Amino acid sequence: GAGVSQSPSNKVTEKGKDVELRCDPISGHTALYWYRQRLGQGLEFLIYFQGNSAPDKSGLPSDRFSAERTGESVSTLTIQRTQQEDSAVYLCASSRDSSEYFGPGTRLTVL
Amino acid sequence: QKEVEQNSGPLSVPEGAIASLNCTYSDRVSQSFFWYRQYSGKSPELIMSIYSNGDKEDGRFTAQLNKASQYVSLLIRDSQPSDSATYLCAVLYTGGFKTIFGAGTRLFVKA
Repeated sequence: GAGVSQSPSNKVTEKGKDVELRCDPISGHTALYWYRQRLGQGLEFLIYFQGNSAPDKSGLPSDRFSAERTGESVSTLTIQRTQQEDSAVYLCASSRDSSEYFGPGTRLTVL
Repeated sequence: QKEVEQNSGPLSVPEGAIASLNCTYSDRVSQSFFWYRQYSGKSPELIMSIYSNGDKEDGRFTAQLNKASQYVSLLIRDSQPSDSATYLCAVLYTGGFKTIFGAGTRLFVKA
């Protein structure tokens, strides 16, 4: 596709449930990033993938959060046992050099 | 701790005026600098990148970088109401792979 795509666009879940968010990067982009943005706040870095290198997981807020990426393709961000404070927009971005291009985000609401 | 600082605003300018957005960063060893625009409820969109000292112009936008003073700015000439958004400054540090984002400056252009 022409841009980064994410699914679902909206997700409403109950506290304690697991959720999986998907990101399709721009073809040929070796780097992929996940960010969290709470309402009215800035971007919070979560995790970074670069090719087949070990990911930089330094931004993951707890062990309930995990992410996977196979090669230079799709990535999934999984949040286990969701909490209300996990409610936010989760943004994925990909890049080929240093410029990042963002997907439309997934709005997660934990009731 | 590498930081990117921006005035949260809001910055309000009349239509047709020049809007000046500023950003400072904490680490001298820095590499690439970016400005993103984020409309309310949307994902960030890359509008400018700058890598060397001086000015870089693209249409109504001019990015200015001063590495000695550790600041980067964005000028928007002939501001339009459609420029009303949050502007995020981002810095990629030398040897690093993840971009550090500022919290953003909200800009309002009054018609």
